[in-house]
Amino acid sequence: DGGITQSPKYLFRKEGQNVTLSCEQNLNHDAMYWYRQDPGQGLRLIYYSQIVNDFQKGDIAEGYSVSREKKESFPLTVTSAQKNPTAFYLCASARERDSNSPLHFGNGTRLTVT
Amino acid sequence: KNQVEQSPQSLIILEGKNCTLQCNYTVSPFSNLRWYKQDTGRGPVSLTIMTFSENTKSNGRYTATLDADTKQSSLHITASQLSDSASYICVVSGRPPYSGAGSYQLTFGKGTKLSVIP
Repeated sequence: DGGITQSPKYLFRKEGQNVTLSCEQNLNHDAMYWYRQDPGQGLRLIYYSQIVNDFQKGDIAEGYSVSREKKESFPLTVTSAQKNPTAFYLCASARERDSNSPLHFGNGTRLTVT
Repeated sequence: KNQVEQSPQSLIILEGKNCTLQCNYTVSPFSNLRWYKQDTGRGPVSLTIMTFSENTKSNGRYTATLDADTKQSSLHITASQLSDSASYICVVSGRPPYSGAGSYQLTFGKGTKLSVIP
């Protein structure tokens, strides 16, 4: 079955450490996205990529970095510069960055930084 | 500023009952509106999409409506089941102001948390 795989499901880190969240898709989608979900808030866009080797900042990119070396993979690094990194992170993909293409989400990674 | 407001914030209903969730938006220019279902600890899954010309669309026991004039949408769930317990998120897509100005912008609502109890 095609889909998006995020790993790990739970991640714990000490403050000051960088951490990388994995996102892999086998849907052959061009567009990939990273969102952050906090309690009581709507999803907020961190970064997105429409094609390999290209990505754009979203609304809350500060303290995060991404790469898109392969079509299937879009890892997110949460750096020590991110002030409030504890959150639920969702990766998504779409056939193209087209309004009518639905987002296909992974099942998220819950990051806890202490 | 583009905004999507959902109500109620949370809702508890008895199994077998119907319910309606609301979504009001100020996104302009409007492209489409999509409802997602998010089970606890999982990613959202698309239920239905509404474009400007559509008033009603059904997906099994889920029926979405759209009033583009008043910028309101609703999601009606019929004969609720325990598995309907989830958060329901309204997402509105706005068209770029002109060609080449950029990509479609998605604005997410905060969601309505529905609990169906036996």
